Amino acid sequence: DAGVIQSPRHEVTEMGQEVTLRCKPISGHNSLFWYRQTMMRGLELLIYFNNNVPIDDSGMPEDRFSAKMPNASFSTLKIQPSEPRDSAVYFCASSPGGLGYGYTFGSGTRLTVV
Amino acid sequence: DQQVKQNSPSLSVQEGRISILNCDYTNSMFDYFLWYKKYPAEGPTFLISISSIKDKNEDGRFTVFLNKSAKHLSLHIVPSQPGDSAVYFCAASSGGSNYKLTFGKGTLLTVNP
Repeated sequence: DAGVIQSPRHEVTEMGQEVTLRCKPISGHNSLFWYRQTMMRGLELLIYFNNNVPIDDSGMPEDRFSAKMPNASFSTLKIQPSEPRDSAVYFCASSPGGLGYGYTFGSGTRLTVV
Repeated sequence: DQQVKQNSPSLSVQEGRISILNCDYTNSMFDYFLWYKKYPAEGPTFLISISSIKDKNEDGRFTVFLNKSAKHLSLHIVPSQPGDSAVYFCAASSGGSNYKLTFGKGTLLTVNP
């Protein structure tokens, strides 16, 4: 199993540009989570999906952020337009359901908006 | 408002000694707690968990203790090894069908040889 795969690993973009982060969860996992890590706020949950349906998006900071999960093997997090304060590491995680083994995280995408 | 707090940003320990990482929570609905370990440039990895019906869970060198009345949990690592040097995150969930985890800000553990 290749684990949770995120792309790109690093993204540098100019303020105002659209940014799309991608995630492929572990096959068979039916829950998917997007987290953002910053020094000030630590790991924050942005949104999570269960069986491809968004369940809780209360952590999405602004309307500039959107997430989709068109099928069980792919999800995107889009920021449009991007701002310097969006600079952070964005993690995707998946879970088979239940918390016994926690989530499996991807390696993250380090986003820098200049 | 931080519902899961790790008040020590960093901790330094000698190899072979015990490492104790602490975590406090404020939400009384939390009933499942987890610890994650994170190395630089990698995602967090699950380490150990505990349900609120227990007060202790042990897995090899790692033991998590839960004090529900104090809303406090701790992770003990004995003996500590240099490879344990990482950021440790405490996380909590209100359980049921809600798989949402709320994380603390993390504690950087350094184990010196």
